[in-house]
Amino acid sequence: DGGITQSPKYLFRKEGQNVTLSCEQNLNHDAMYWYRQDPGQGLRLIYYSQIVNDFQKGDIAEGYSVSREKKESFPLTVTSAQKNPTAFYLCASSIGTGINEQFFGPGTRLTVL
Amino acid sequence: GESVGLHLPTLSVQEGDNSIINCAYSNSASDYFIWYKQESGKGPQFIIDIRSNMDKRQGQRVTVLLNKTVKHLSLQIAATQPGDSAVYFCAEMTTDSWGKLQFGAGTQVVVTP
Repeated sequence: DGGITQSPKYLFRKEGQNVTLSCEQNLNHDAMYWYRQDPGQGLRLIYYSQIVNDFQKGDIAEGYSVSREKKESFPLTVTSAQKNPTAFYLCASSIGTGINEQFFGPGTRLTVL
Repeated sequence: GESVGLHLPTLSVQEGDNSIINCAYSNSASDYFIWYKQESGKGPQFIIDIRSNMDKRQGQRVTVLLNKTVKHLSLQIAATQPGDSAVYFCAEMTTDSWGKLQFGAGTQVVVTP
């Protein structure tokens, strides 16, 4: 089956700890994205990557970091600098950037205690 | 700034009736629009898209209408079913935005028997 996987589905961390969320795709897509969703709100872009070894900040990149060492993987680290990290995190990918449908993973719900 | 938003936060529809979900956008340069469906605790699923050179596009039980004059987008769902209960997001993109989708806040659709 082709698709995007995110793990874990639920994640709990203590305040002040860094945490890394996994995103893997086997769609052979060049572009990958990370979004944050808060209750009752739309998605906001954190980081995106157009190609391996390249990534750019989105609208709310502060307190987050990413890497893109492999085409199929785009992990997101939520650092202790992120003031309000509790949220639903969604990873997406598309064939390329530009006018292309973005396919979403199932999401990871992060709760910082 | 430019934004995409929805008129109605919650839409209650009787099973079998048609649903209409509305979306207003303010960026006149937007030239690609997508509707996503998101069930509770899951990632968004693509429903249908439309480019700005069209004013109507039909899929299976869904129709998207685009009125560029008033910058309005709508999603019509025919013969609404219980499985259609979800949050629906419109998202827009401009050709020069490298694939950045701007999401609205979403409309909760509740299908009643």
